[in-house]
Order: sequence, then structure tokens, then C-alpha cells
Amino acid sequence: DTGVSQDPRHKITKRGQNVTFRCDPISEHNRLYWYRQTLGQGPEFLTYFQNEAQLEKSRLLSDRFSAERPKGSFSTLEIQRTEQGDSAMYLCASSPQDRVEYFGPGTRLTVT
Amino acid sequence: KQEVTQIPAALSVPEGENLVLNCSFTDSAIYNLQWFRQDPGKGLTSLLLIQSSQREQTSGRLNASLDKSSGRSTLYIAASQPGDSATYLCAVLIYNQGGKLIFGQGTELSVKP
Repeated sequence: DTGVSQDPRHKITKRGQNVTFRCDPISEHNRLYWYRQTLGQGPEFLTYFQNEAQLEKSRLLSDRFSAERPKGSFSTLEIQRTEQGDSAMYLCASSPQDRVEYFGPGTRLTVT
Repeated sequence: KQEVTQIPAALSVPEGENLVLNCSFTDSAIYNLQWFRQDPGKGLTSLLLIQSSQREQTSGRLNASLDKSSGRSTLYIAASQPGDSATYLCAVLIYNQGGKLIFGQGTELSVKP
């Protein structure tokens, strides 16, 4: 296992469409995090899972956003009815309990 | 609420210079502090992690210091090279907040040959 992977790497969509991103964490990492990064800013926390339980959600995560980690392994982040303000890099990270987070390469979303 | 600030926002130096990047945080109750590197359009690479009980960490030409009481950290890069050009982000991990990182906005470094 070479690290955290994310798919797709780039996504261009039209406003109003739904998109789904996937994150595959490092095997046996029980924590998985989603962050959003806009141009020129640092990443901002969105949500995290411990195994399959979603333990915290940021107020940034509007009701158009939903994240799942059904079997405690990979995770998906879905954005419904995309808006131009959703354009950003979506980063996934995983970690063993209370340890260093390892980041994936990110998914760059562009909403036109 | 924890806030992390990085100064300067951008820095351009000639090759070979030693340089310091600054990071400040408002709440000293941190678990650890990390410095990351991010190349354009890419994910984050962890450079150095300093536990709250530590004062500094070193890796090659990089040295990071932590002063919890004053809410400051510095990243020192010795003998800078063009390959060091990237955005450098610091992030703090808050106790009992599930391990989520609070990031600064980053310093964009350009090292000119």
C-alpha cells in the first residue's frame, strides 16, 4: 500500500450537477478526514470518520454535502446541486488513532 | 477558537540564502504542530512534526522550532535551492478534537537560481 489515493484527480462539472469523490486510505488506518482548500488558502476541515462512524462535521459542510465510509475502509464525499463556490481542492487524509495524518493528492473540482 | 497565521504570505529569495518562515497560533493548548509542503496542484507532504513537549525538530536542511507559551513556530530552511520552491503550511492539532488539523494560509516560497 503506497499511500492515500483519491479519485478522480480532476473533475469539471456544470452548476447544479451532483459529483462524488472517492478516497482510499492507507490500510488499517481507522481515522479518515476530508478537507477543502480554496486557492491561496490553507485546507479547512470538513468531516472525519473513526472506522465507519462519522464523528464530527464542520459548519462548512452544508446539507448539500454528504460523506460516507460504509465499511470503515474507503470513503465517498458527495456534493449535490453544485455551486460555483464549491470549486476547490478536496483533500483526504488518514491516520492511525491520534497519529500523523497522511494526505492524498486531492481532487480538484471546477464548477462552471 | 484556534486561529493559525503565517507570515509572510509570499517570499522570494535567491538560491543559497537561509530563510525563516513564521507561524503563530492563538491557543497554546495544542497536541502538536506540523509543517507541510505543497507543490502547485498537489496534495500535502509532511515535513516535520513537533510534539507539544518538544522545542524543535530537524530534518536535513530544515529545522522547526516551537514556543507554545508565545504561540509561535518557525521553519528554518538552510542553503535554499530552487527545488524548495513550494507553498509551506503549518498546522496545529488540538487536544480532544478528533485529530483535525487547523491550518494557516501558507507561505508561497520562490527560490530563484
